[in-house]
Amino acid sequence: DAGVIQSPRHEVTEMGQEVTLRCKPISGHNSLFWYRQTMMRGLELLIYFNNNVPIDDSGMPEDRFSAKMPNASFSTLKIQPSEPRDSAVYFCASSFWAINQPQHFGDGTRLSIL
Amino acid sequence: DQQVKQNSPSLSVQEGRISILNCDYTNSMFDYFLWYKKYPAEGPTFLISISSIKDKNEDGRFTVFLNKSAKHLSLHIVPSQPGDSAVYFCAASAAGNQFYFGTGTSLTVIP
Repeated sequence: DAGVIQSPRHEVTEMGQEVTLRCKPISGHNSLFWYRQTMMRGLELLIYFNNNVPIDDSGMPEDRFSAKMPNASFSTLKIQPSEPRDSAVYFCASSFWAINQPQHFGDGTRLSIL
Repeated sequence: DQQVKQNSPSLSVQEGRISILNCDYTNSMFDYFLWYKKYPAEGPTFLISISSIKDKNEDGRFTVFLNKSAKHLSLHIVPSQPGDSAVYFCAASAAGNQFYFGTGTSLTVIP
């Protein structure tokens, strides 16, 4: 079975550029989560969707960050404009929408903003 | 504000010995806890979980202990193997499907 697929795996871009990260969840899963991993804060939840609807975006650091889920098989996380402090590994995860369902993670996108 | 804390960034253990990874939480509403394992350049993978109605859950070499009064959980790996070398994250939820993760502990098992 295909797991959560994220693209690109690595992204290097200059400050001020728009960055778009993509995620394809596991087929049948109806919850999708975006995380950012940093040394200081570990895995930090940015936003999550249930049935394509954003439920909690309180973790989105600034208005420069936005996320969409136009359908059950695709989501994007966009940063515009990007800044060096956005450099991190971004993970997408999916699960069934039910209490205490373990989340399945993609392999992440390593983002470097120069 | 970190609701789930892993205060040991790293741990080294000899192969065959026990590895004990610790996790503390602050939110008394948390009722479900998980451990994830992460290899470099990969995403975290689910390892083991425990509900707050239990104080122990065992799966092969892995056992998770929960002490609700102390708001503390631990993961025991016995015996430790070199393939267990990874970063371990604990996570907690409060009757939902949103999890709060710790900062991770990097385990090195020395052959």
